[in-house]
Amino acid sequence: GAVVSQHPSRVICKSGTSVKIECRSLDFQATTMFWYRQFPKQSLMLMATSNEGSKATYEQGVEKDKFLINHASLTLSTLTVTSAHPEDSSFYICSARQGLNEKLFFGSGTQLSVL
Amino acid sequence: GNSVTQMEGPVTLSEEAFLTINCTYTATGYPSLFWYVQYPGEGLQLLLKATKADDKGSNKGFEATYRKETTSFHLEKGSVQVSDSAVYFCALRRSYNQGGKLIFGQGTELSVKP
Repeated sequence: GAVVSQHPSRVICKSGTSVKIECRSLDFQATTMFWYRQFPKQSLMLMATSNEGSKATYEQGVEKDKFLINHASLTLSTLTVTSAHPEDSSFYICSARQGLNEKLFFGSGTQLSVL
Repeated sequence: GNSVTQMEGPVTLSEEAFLTINCTYTATGYPSLFWYVQYPGEGLQLLLKATKADDKGSNKGFEATYRKETTSFHLEKGSVQVSDSAVYFCALRRSYNQGGKLIFGQGTELSVKP
């Protein structure tokens, strides 16, 4: 089946630094990618939806200047957490969809810890 | 608004035990319902789905029935194996005219002991 590779799986950084998370579709063209975050014991929350070559659409309450999403190619989307703070510590997951296919393929997630 | 609530984990069972993971939802319209599974170190994978009331989704011995009257989509398996140890996510997808986005529950961790 289709594979989505997400890196890094775990990252620890100092407060005030920026962290980039990559999400790659390995064997298909991901026209749409989704970014989620999950706090402990809470639901996966959709942060934003990005279509290749377009600006991302952010969900209500998600700061677009804080969470920069780039989807410049059909196989790569990146999420950059800018000037990270401890409250940004969370589990981030990407998913990808090819065209109008309803099936989603998920990355394995990134655990971000901000000290 | 739309939401999904799952039973809290972790759930610990012995091999061959019966499994139920409860899932209830709140939604407007007629959502589709899903169960996803995440094995350690891997991404979420679709386990099964149901797109209308009274539909039963099934896969790998797991089953779930879309119950509109109780707004539930409980996951069941008659005899679990150690290899079923994973985190299970219940989700709904609103109709495409409402954006078609997936809304997840918080996940339930299942640990099966030999």
